[in-house]
Amino acid sequence: QLQLQESGPGLVKPSETLSLTCTVSGGSISSSSYYWGWIRQPPGKGLEWIGSIYYSGSTYYNPSLKSRVTISVDTSKNQFSLKLSSVTAADTAVYYCATISDWFDPWGQGTLVTVSS
Amino acid sequence: SSELTQDPAVSVALGQTVRITCQGDSLRSYYASWYQQKPGQAPVLVIYGKNNRPSGIPDRFSGSSSGNTASLTITGAQAEDEADYYCNSRDSSGNHPWVFGGGTKLTVL
Repeated sequence: QLQLQESGPGLVKPSETLSLTCTVSGGSISSSSYYWGWIRQPPGKGLEWIGSIYYSGSTYYNPSLKSRVTISVDTSKNQFSLKLSSVTAADTAVYYCATISDWFDPWGQGTLVTVSS
Repeated sequence: SSELTQDPAVSVALGQTVRITCQGDSLRSYYASWYQQKPGQAPVLVIYGKNNRPSGIPDRFSGSSSGNTASLTITGAQAEDEADYYCNSRDSSGNHPWVFGGGTKLTVL
């Protein structure tokens, strides 16, 4: 059974780059059955899809974030990562990673990232 | 359009049936999936595909679709069903592959 776990700094300064990693266990990130994705949720607000990656490295990004987002995959570590550059307070959110078929399941537990000086 | 629209809030009396809807052009081409999120927890998939429930999801949860509207129905709502519910589907506009609705807060009275 797939399990996902986010990791990374909980506090990032404005204008810097947010970096998070999602570690996949219970299965291979190289599976052709899935995409791997990042979703975020600002406090008290709804879910926003950030972007997704296939094990081959093909990426898809939300147009509203595309200029600042990079998602990469490390098959040797069974991990995929998110980088979001030039962050502002508006990027403060719980960041989730998830496995994607035509639906998102399972999800990681989420990690709160606060943008503040 | 790449948007999915949900009512912000819905309420239901304990034991009654409630329908939560999701509207969007992409739903004419793709099935919606539905997620339940309780405070402080990650979303949990409750319905996917035409009308499929993951293991462990009670059979009081069901899904349906007609035209540009997808619905999540809870038949005999329980107190533990009080949560936020989000729909999600592929996006048919070509702008980005996946999109989420804004969420519906379900209150069980």
